Amino acid sequence: GESVGLHLPTLSVQEGDNSIINCAYSNSASDYFIWYKQESGKGPQFIIDIRSNMDKRQGQRVTVLLNKTVKHLSLQIAATQPGDSAVYFCAENPPGNQFYFGTGTSLTVIP
Amino acid sequence: DTAVSQTPKYLVTQMGNDKSIKCEQNLGHDTMYWYKQDSKKFLKIMFSYNNKELIINETVPNRFSPKSPDKAHLNLHINSLELGDSAVYFCASSRDLAYEQYFGPGTRLTVT
Repeated sequence: GESVGLHLPTLSVQEGDNSIINCAYSNSASDYFIWYKQESGKGPQFIIDIRSNMDKRQGQRVTVLLNKTVKHLSLQIAATQPGDSAVYFCAENPPGNQFYFGTGTSLTVIP
Repeated sequence: DTAVSQTPKYLVTQMGNDKSIKCEQNLGHDTMYWYKQDSKKFLKIMFSYNNKELIINETVPNRFSPKSPDKAHLNLHINSLELGDSAVYFCASSRDLAYEQYFGPGTRLTVT
């Protein structure tokens, strides 16, 4: 059904600060995770991924941290820029299954 | 070249009408998807096809019918449109279920 009762988490950060976006995933068997960025009026785009045999992966200005013990994923964005304003989704992939998307977090960067 | 394309980008129609949204991918992927995104940005999978075969069929009214004429195309036909069908519909593709998905630009459907 629809996302009745669910609210899109929001995060506001000052330009130049670091951002941390959190995600709790549901399936302890999930072994592959992806962060997507969705800018206004566009489809989600791949940012970074991580497999369950790692606990940290770095990209350009982005870092993903995985804590399998508490089923938690985070996306850190360094020196946040106005172009980082978007909705961010985490997605988990249990083996042999499709990806399941989280509810998303809206990031607003204040110039 | 656009990797995943959808037409139309905007669709405004009245309740009770039937409409179709088309999707094409030129990435050579085997798997294609339809998602519905509501006003709260919640992204819900509707269908998935792998090599023209339906592999995921979530709880969706049977007014929604996907059709995959070939591996590169996945169309969505909606019968008897209702107000609650208003949303943004995204097509996506991937090499397989366990690979990253590439999303189209979305089709904003408004039912009046």
